[in-house]
Amino acid sequence: EAGVVQSPRYKIIEKKQPVAFWCNPISGHNTLYWYLQNLGQGPELLIRYENEEAVDDSQLPKDRFSAERLKGVDSTLKIQPAELGDSAVYLCASSPSSGGGETQYFGPGTRLLVL
Amino acid sequence: DAKTTQPPSMDCAEGRAANLPCNHSTISGNEYVYWYRQIHSQGPQYIIHGLKNNETNEMASLIITEDRKSSTLILPHATLRDTAVYYCIVRVANDSWGKLQFGAGTQVVVTP
Repeated sequence: EAGVVQSPRYKIIEKKQPVAFWCNPISGHNTLYWYLQNLGQGPELLIRYENEEAVDDSQLPKDRFSAERLKGVDSTLKIQPAELGDSAVYLCASSPSSGGGETQYFGPGTRLLVL
Repeated sequence: DAKTTQPPSMDCAEGRAANLPCNHSTISGNEYVYWYRQIHSQGPQYIIHGLKNNETNEMASLIITEDRKSSTLILPHATLRDTAVYYCIVRVANDSWGKLQFGAGTQVVVTP
């Protein structure tokens, strides 16, 4: 069974440029998460989707970050414009559902460097 | 506020048991203890979780004290591939199951 797929794995951009990350969750997983991980720290939740509905986006900086999961399967996280402080690893995770405490399965992440 | 406290780092000899402590003195009755690990350049990986009873699976054992204020993750025979950051997380059990709140974790280095 394929795991969570993320692309690109690495991205280098100049500040003020837009950037987008793509995630394809494990087949059949209704719940999708985006996390941000700064160097030396644990991941922090940005947004959680139940199918196509964003049910927890309280930690998403909405002035520059946006996300979508149009058909309830794959998802895109966008930053526009990127700032130097956005340099981090962006992780996507999925689970069968959020009810019942199912395990979250993480992708390898996208490492972003903003110059 | 951090819900768990872990040592920042620890070393373990290959083939020996690794015992990773975690303090969660403010844990509530409806909170589970979860352990994840993150190998370098990979996403976090689920290891085990428990409420009050000790748990064991193919990866590790989880020992939770009777008062539930602390727990220990045991890797019975550490290998070099177990070198990773280990996260202890308390997670609310409700309809939405709460989010995973990662701390800084414990960097475990397994040496030959």
